[in-house]
Amino acid sequence: EDQVTQSPEALRLQEGESSSLNCSYTVSGLRGLFWYRQDPGKGPEFLFTLYSAGEEKEKERLKATLTKKESFLHITAPKPEDSATYLCAVHVSGSARQLTFGSGTQLTVLP
Amino acid sequence: NAGVTQTPKFQVLKTGQSMTLQCAQDMNHNSMYWYRQDPGMGLRLIYYSASEGTTDKGEVPNGYNVSRLNKREFSLRLESAAPSQTSVYFCASRAPELTNTEAFFGQGTRLTVV
Repeated sequence: EDQVTQSPEALRLQEGESSSLNCSYTVSGLRGLFWYRQDPGKGPEFLFTLYSAGEEKEKERLKATLTKKESFLHITAPKPEDSATYLCAVHVSGSARQLTFGSGTQLTVLP
Repeated sequence: NAGVTQTPKFQVLKTGQSMTLQCAQDMNHNSMYWYRQDPGMGLRLIYYSASEGTTDKGEVPNGYNVSRLNKREFSLRLESAAPSQTSVYFCASRAPELTNTEAFFGQGTRLTVV
């Protein structure tokens, strides 16, 4: 069974304190790994797609990386507006176009 | 661009009542999905539709039915609501035939069953 596990469940950082969020996966035939940001009361908003081990993508203070077993979302010098829940999801071969989500990491950045 | 639009945004039902959650997308996507989100459990797939005229069960389909009315619209029906169906429901659409693209989500429907 495909599994996606995110850690930690919650993370509190001071403004400017860099850290990483983890998404580990156990799947057969990864076709893509997706990172989303979700603000309270809103739907998930797309951030990145990673397709193969070694790939990296950046957007402002965020950088996503991928290995054969996990993905990291690195947050450099975060600001309070980066506070949100970050979700990762995988698309697996033969899954009929479904995305399987992890339970998310709730990030709080304190001023 | 409207993207994915869900109605209603909030709903309170009594146990045993029925209702339909509506979803429409204007991106010409073939695939549409219904997820529910509960605290600590992430997003779980209820039903999906890979194309107009087809629907399939996801991870948690019990107690729900869906209709893919046309390419734009995908509705979720609760025939006899139960307190366990209290959740936030998200509709999403995707165009996976165009390589491995992301899903776009609506703003959600917060449903409480009392």
